[in-house]
Parts: sequence; structure tokens; C-alpha cells
Amino acid sequence: QVTLKESGPALVKPTQTLTLTCTFSGFSLSTSGMRVSWIRQPPGKALEWLARIDWDDDKFYSTSLKTRLTISKDTSKNQVVLTMTNMDPVDTATYYCARHYALGAFDYWGQGTLVTVSS
Amino acid sequence: QSALTQPASVSGSPGQSITISCTGTSSDVGGYNYVSWYQQHPGKAPKLMIYDVSNRPSGVSNRFSGSKSGNTASLTISGLQAEDEADYYCSSYTSSSTQVFGTGTKVTVL
Repeated sequence: QVTLKESGPALVKPTQTLTLTCTFSGFSLSTSGMRVSWIRQPPGKALEWLARIDWDDDKFYSTSLKTRLTISKDTSKNQVVLTMTNMDPVDTATYYCARHYALGAFDYWGQGTLVTVSS
Repeated sequence: QSALTQPASVSGSPGQSITISCTGTSSDVGGYNYVSWYQQHPGKAPKLMIYDVSNRPSGVSNRFSGSKSGNTASLTISGLQAEDEADYYCSSYTSSSTQVFGTGTKVTVL
């Protein structure tokens, strides 16, 4: 059974760095072809893809946010970590991690974690 | 990478069929057969409904079908039911090896 769960602070101040952890089970990110992405959704708005890390440690980032994002994995802990620097109120959103089904789809999602950016 | 374009809303009566379009470019939708569709009910995580343009995951009703022509993908829901009322998002792999989502469509069952 595949599960993913996001964890991190519910509230961050502007200019701070956000660190989110995705803890998963039911698969291994060391298995060839496995990939995990981070996706966010501001309240009442659309989904936005942020970053992806592959089983071979390849990393890919949203063009518009790549200067602020870092994605990493700890295979032994079954975790993927996303950091986002210089947080702004417009970054207020529910942040999801999701497992890829091959390249094109996200077949399992975490429940999401709401992050509010406010002073 | 610009978001894929979807209609803001689509509605239909129970039993009818509706189609949601998802328009991109040759660098995403038109260039790869890696289009997927997601259903999202309020307060819930998205659920995969279609992958690789037209494939349904196990457990998804066969009332949901997908297709693609050129730079536009489509999701059709046939035999519309009250439980289908939700937001729907398309997504595509891109030439930059990234992903892009659509603007989202609210489906209303009249």
C-alpha cells in the first residue's frame, strides 16, 4: 500500500526559508523509474508543479521558481525534502507531494499541508 | 512554462456527457502522450482519472475517457452523475522534462 504524507510548519514569516518533508511508504525511491514531485495549490486556485526528484537523483524544477527551490531525498528514510527560500505571502498554499506513474502522471498523493506566509 | 488552458466551468444534467478541453503547445500536450487528468473534490487531494492521454487506472469508472488531437487534450465524462461534480485538472510532461498543470475546470451537475 502506497502512502505519502507531508510535514512542515503551518506558518512561516516573509523572507524565511520553508522546509517540507514528504515521508512515504509502499515503494522505494531507489527503484529504477521511481519519481516524486512537489505540487502546490494556493487557496481557491489551480495546481502548480514545483519540483521532481528521480530514483537516480536527477532533479528538475519549475522554471519560474528554480532559483528558490531545492529538492533532495533520503532513500534510507523514505523521505523527500523540499526547501523554498525567501517566502512571500503569495506562496501561501497547500503543498502536496505525489508519486509519479512513469513520466506523465501522479498516481498517489499525500493529503497536503497548508502553509501560510504571514508576519 | 505557461499553464495549460482549460475552460473555467462546464455544466451538464445527470446522464448527459460533457467534455473538458486542455490546450497546450507542441512543447507539452502536442509533443508527448503524457497527458493526465485529475479530479479534485473540495478539501481533498487530487485523484488520478486518466493517464497517458487515454488510459484509466484501476478502479476509475469507464464513464471517464480521454483523447488528444494536436495540442489539445480532452476529458469526456459520460452518464454524468452528481458525484462527478468537482474540479478537474489536466497535466502534461514538457520538453524541459518538467510538468505543467492546466488552469482547472469546475464541473457542475445541474
